[in-house]
Amino acid sequence: QKEVEQDPGPLSVPEGAIVSLNCTYSNSAFQYFMWYRQYSRKGPELLMYTYSSGNKEDGRFTAQVDKSSKYISLFIRDSQPSDSATYLCAMSARGGGSEKLVFGKGTKLTVNP
Amino acid sequence: EPEVTQTPSHQVTQMGQEVILRCVPISNHLYFYWYRQILGQKVEFLVSFYNNEISEKSEIFDDQFSVERPDGSNFTLKIRSTKLEDSAMYFCASTAGQGSPLHFGNGTRLTVT
Repeated sequence: QKEVEQDPGPLSVPEGAIVSLNCTYSNSAFQYFMWYRQYSRKGPELLMYTYSSGNKEDGRFTAQVDKSSKYISLFIRDSQPSDSATYLCAMSARGGGSEKLVFGKGTKLTVNP
Repeated sequence: EPEVTQTPSHQVTQMGQEVILRCVPISNHLYFYWYRQILGQKVEFLVSFYNNEISEKSEIFDDQFSVERPDGSNFTLKIRSTKLEDSAMYFCASTAGQGSPLHFGNGTRLTVT
């Protein structure tokens, strides 16, 4: 079983739709969970950073972590064409510091005007 | 907003040549990283660096790779004798420390011919 699994899509939605992006993982030691957005030929840009289980909201974005199911989600409300990008989940056991992040493969999202 | 900067944005080199990829991390950050992303694949951890030494490295980071912080602002990745399979995007990242998220640069696209 892969350490982090993410459906690569592609996912195509109309403008204004609610988008749900998901990752599953196998390592129960993971406690820090991140979502990055990556535009073509650019570096990952941090969107959400959460610790342990629960929800976190930032504007149109909501991150959910369910550690009991080893499942994390990112919801985008009122999606915009500018949200078109690849979304990467990433996680680590200790958060920052010297420890590596483990990434999902990324989900490519297109929001159509 | 402070950002991680990387140069060059694109480097083309011949197999067997040495390359140095350069990064300027965010100024008050203490931990530095290199990740790479082969086209169509996951972002993969290479190495983390703290207090002027390597904290952790992956199995990819073999004797052909080295990192250095030659002064107070730059962080470099050297590949001694490039191979075709080293062709990838190389991302530098930095963080203030434990519990803080990683911030990535826009990457250097390395093409080995």
